[in-house]
Amino acid sequence: GQQVMQIPQYQHVQEGEDFTTYCNSSTTLSNIQWYKQRPGGHPVFLIQLVKSGEVKKQKRLTFQFGEAKKNSSLHITATQTTDVGTYFCAGAGSYQLTFGKGTKLSVIP
Amino acid sequence: NAGVTQTPKFQVLKTGQSMTLQCAQDMNHEYMSWYRQDPGMGLRLIHYSVGAGITDQGEVPNGYNVSRSTTEDFPLRLLSAAPSQTSVYFCASSRGGETQYFGPGTRLLVL
Repeated sequence: GQQVMQIPQYQHVQEGEDFTTYCNSSTTLSNIQWYKQRPGGHPVFLIQLVKSGEVKKQKRLTFQFGEAKKNSSLHITATQTTDVGTYFCAGAGSYQLTFGKGTKLSVIP
Repeated sequence: NAGVTQTPKFQVLKTGQSMTLQCAQDMNHEYMSWYRQDPGMGLRLIHYSVGAGITDQGEVPNGYNVSRSTTEDFPLRLLSAAPSQTSVYFCASSRGGETQYFGPGTRLLVL
């Protein structure tokens, strides 16, 4: 079955530093989605990428979808304490999403 | 819209007990899913439904049953609870394969 690998599992950064999490799929994806889960909360949708090579930005967050539609990345510029949480990628297959295990981001003030 | 609601928020069970986790959505979404979340394991799909009367197994279906008699509701039944089912359970709904809207979760402890 489809597998989605996400690295790193944990990342500790000083406030103001950049952060990147990477996602790789074993199969070509129709689209990839990114979610954020705050501590004690539920996953919340951030963005969906559909096209090969697509790049989307949301303020300090930049999302990329690889040319082969098998990998993706999320980059946060100048992290803030409000960025704390776990970031999940999810690859879309037939009728279901396969989630990566997530990257837990800690921001040290 | 309330979005996706889940009850109960917390539950403690003894091994062998059965229970039903409730999930409802008011967005008229066809797709609904159940996930469990364990530390370091991410979100794993238990069962999903693409419409009323249609359900299918996900990655970790053993020990769980689902049914989808209406578009709005998608209950998850634990037939005979085991300590390995201690987890946080999330229900989600979506329109097609698009954005998944998650409920607040049910935290289950099986003793």
